[in-house]
Amino acid sequence: EPEVTQTPSHQVTQMGQEVILRCVPISNHLYFYWYRQILGQKVEFLVSFYNNEISEKSEIFDDQFSVERPDGSNFTLKIRSTKLEDSAMYFCASSEARDRQGLQYFGPGTRLLVL
Amino acid sequence: LAKTTQPISMDSYEGQEVNITCSHNNIATNDYITWYQQFPSQGPRFIIQGYKTKVTNEVASLFIPADRKSSTLSLPRVSLSDTAVYYCLVALRGSSASKIIFGSGTRLSIRP
Repeated sequence: EPEVTQTPSHQVTQMGQEVILRCVPISNHLYFYWYRQILGQKVEFLVSFYNNEISEKSEIFDDQFSVERPDGSNFTLKIRSTKLEDSAMYFCASSEARDRQGLQYFGPGTRLLVL
Repeated sequence: LAKTTQPISMDSYEGQEVNITCSHNNIATNDYITWYQQFPSQGPRFIIQGYKTKVTNEVASLFIPADRKSSTLSLPRVSLSDTAVYYCLVALRGSSASKIIFGSGTRLSIRP
């Protein structure tokens, strides 16, 4: 069964450093998403991406965040200058078609720890 | 977006059938009902989706009454590995972005 993959599985960084989280969505999917989950809290939507541009972003997704699809397979989330409160699990997801909204496939996540 | 309400937690024992009910009084005509499962430190995993009546797959069944204001996820003969958080979602159709708004979910604990 096709899967969404994410790298790295864990990342530790110093406050103020830039991090790039990588995702490989399922190959025939067209819609891509990033979510985060702070320990013990809800899964929160960050951004959705379609046709090489952002479709929607949440209030969390401020100027410190950016997304990119640099080639035909990868989808990245960059945090320019990390803060302590960016420590969380970051999940990438993808979906095949807009008509099946709610049917998204999630990756295993990257656990980011900002010190 | 239709608001959903589900129990915060449930406990059961191995081999039992577990039913988790979710209410979504403001569901719109074109909304689908979707359930996700999340194990600790893992990404949410799609379980089942339905529009009306009953849907069954290899993992679960989803019962939706005619008024669609609630739905029940049924897990037959649960095992310890079914311990997870279960999210009931009402999927919004017709918007340019299909973000998922997760609630707190139902924390299901299965005991031996």
